[in-house]
Amino acid sequence: GAGVSQSPSNKVTEKGKDVELRCDPISGHTALYWYRQSLGQGLEFLIYFQGNSAPDKSGLPSDRFSAERTGGSVSTLTIQRTQQEDSAVYLCASSFRLDYNEQFFGPGTRLTVL
Amino acid sequence: SQQGEEDPQALSIQEGENATMNCSYKTSINNLQWYRQNSGRGLVHLILIRSNEREKHSGRLRVTLDTSKKSSSLLITASRAADTASYFCATDTGTYKYIFGTGTRLKVLA
Repeated sequence: GAGVSQSPSNKVTEKGKDVELRCDPISGHTALYWYRQSLGQGLEFLIYFQGNSAPDKSGLPSDRFSAERTGGSVSTLTIQRTQQEDSAVYLCASSFRLDYNEQFFGPGTRLTVL
Repeated sequence: SQQGEEDPQALSIQEGENATMNCSYKTSINNLQWYRQNSGRGLVHLILIRSNEREKHSGRLRVTLDTSKKSSSLLITASRAADTASYFCATDTGTYKYIFGTGTRLKVLA
């Protein structure tokens, strides 16, 4: 594809509901990353995938967060029982491979938990 | 706390002037990258400098790395209004868990 795409671009949900965020990486990119950016802050690393595998899940903020990647392409980040502190912009990035350091970022999903 | 901390937090300069921003980090790194974020284009990779490099240039960008001081600087020469953005450093410690700093908000006045 032309670039990394994410959907939805905006999501407003009520506290306690589950949400699913989707990321479509650049075609052929084997590495995929998820970050969270709170208002006016830097990026907080959440998780990375090499192919469909996520070797290190320690960056996920709590067990309410999970992520998967299928077919070495699309990834979904799921947040269960959302809390107000989960409100942030969730950014996805992909790179050609894990040790190819330039990451290409998607436009993000702005999540608001009421 | 964040691995990378940029300073200043905010910088305002006139078009044509140079802008310098700094990044400090805490642990050994494989490489350090600089990214730009603005509302129009999202996050864009600018330049990467490896731990065995001391200086790197790309167009109007100059990056230095001092591993003994665990710091890097990004210089933008002859700034333009289009350079207005937030600039972040990101460090790779070899674990692929990239750590981004808190960012410097640059405003270039026409």
